[in-house]
Amino acid sequence: GQNIDQPTEMTATEGAIVQINCTYQTSGFNGLFWYQQHAGEAPTFLSYNVLDGLEEKGRFSSFLSRSKGYSYLLLKELQMKDSASYLCAVVDSNYQLIWGAGTKLIIKP
Amino acid sequence: TAGITQAPTSQILAAGRSMTLRCTQDMRHNAMYWYRQDLGLGLRLIHYSNTAGTTGKGEVPDGYSVSRANTDDFPLTLASAVPSQTSVYFCASRNGTSSDTQYFGPGTRLTVL
Repeated sequence: GQNIDQPTEMTATEGAIVQINCTYQTSGFNGLFWYQQHAGEAPTFLSYNVLDGLEEKGRFSSFLSRSKGYSYLLLKELQMKDSASYLCAVVDSNYQLIWGAGTKLIIKP
Repeated sequence: TAGITQAPTSQILAAGRSMTLRCTQDMRHNAMYWYRQDLGLGLRLIHYSNTAGTTGKGEVPDGYSVSRANTDDFPLTLASAVPSQTSVYFCASRNGTSSDTQYFGPGTRLTVL
């Protein structure tokens, strides 16, 4: 079967750094997405990785290791507006997205 | 640009009734998707369409049907609603390749009583 694992919930302090992990076992791999979803809203795109390594985009970075079936999203200089759920999704061999359940990130002042 | 619109925003429906959730995109994307999102679960694919005139079944298609008569519209129909179909429904689209971002509509919150 296909499986994507993320922690259910994490708490961090404003101004700090947090790393959200995602491990996956899927039938094939054609890339990995991270999306942000604020409560009551639609998911919005954050990053896409298809090759191993780190992709940096402002305060957000995403890392991929295909051999380990592992990715993480790194958020720096946390702001209160970063309180949201972060969804990991893998593109499988049929080019469909397989979604993790998401990690709810709570930012405290 | 409106992107993707969905209607209605929310709906309460009696079990056994039928309903169509509407989805329209103005980005001329080839592929469109219907997901449901339930607490504690990831987004689950109901049906998809890679191009106008074609549709396919996703992970949880039972009880739902779709059509894709043109590029812009992708309605989702519940023929006879059941309480387990209570969920938030998201429509999404993308241009077509695996690396392209999926863009989501604002969602429809459906409660079946």
